[in-house]
Amino acid sequence: AQSVTQLGSHVSVSEGALVLLRCNYSSSVPPYLFWYVQYPNQGLQLLLKYTTGATLVKGINGFEAEFKKSETSFHLTKPSAHMSDAAEYFCAGLNDEKGRRALTFGSGTRLQVQP
Amino acid sequence: DAGITQSPRYKITETGRQVTLMCHQTWSHSYMFWYRQDLGHGLRLIYYSAAADITDKGEVPDGYVVSRSKTENFPLTLESATRSQTSVYFCASMGLGGATEAFFGQGTRLTVV
Repeated sequence: AQSVTQLGSHVSVSEGALVLLRCNYSSSVPPYLFWYVQYPNQGLQLLLKYTTGATLVKGINGFEAEFKKSETSFHLTKPSAHMSDAAEYFCAGLNDEKGRRALTFGSGTRLQVQP
Repeated sequence: DAGITQSPRYKITETGRQVTLMCHQTWSHSYMFWYRQDLGHGLRLIYYSAAADITDKGEVPDGYVVSRSKTENFPLTLESATRSQTSVYFCASMGLGGATEAFFGQGTRLTVV
């Protein structure tokens, strides 16, 4: 079954700086991977997803992630942080075996953006 | 309105009481889920349902009961609430096959005192 690990529970960057949030997965089957964002007191919103095909996936709000099978990684990046990017970010993998389908989440990374 | 809605948004209850959290989706998605969110743990799956009348345990099911008599509703019941069940609860739904995106409700913040 899929498991997901996020490295770093808190990341702080300056406005305009590169954002890099790390996610590693483990799976014996080709993965479906996702990044979700959660703003305060809200539900989770999908940023982007990798299913098959191109390994560089572009999402909303200028975020992108690259699926690297050799490194079992799916890190999230954004070239230039905005204050509005401050939120919690979750990496997730889809377990889809024998009729059981559910997302497994990492523990989350809180992104702070300093002015 | 289309989407997935949870009620109530906030709930305070006493230890030992039964409480039910409601979840309703309008897409006729086959799959529905209940997660709890706790600091340092991300979201953990409590129960999921593949279709009406089909439910199964997730990672942390103890102390919770679910039912799904209709495709659109998936209530979560805490039979005898404990302080360790203080958490934010999220309901989500997902379609079949290649529809792999999960859609989340706004969450229910439950405090057990």
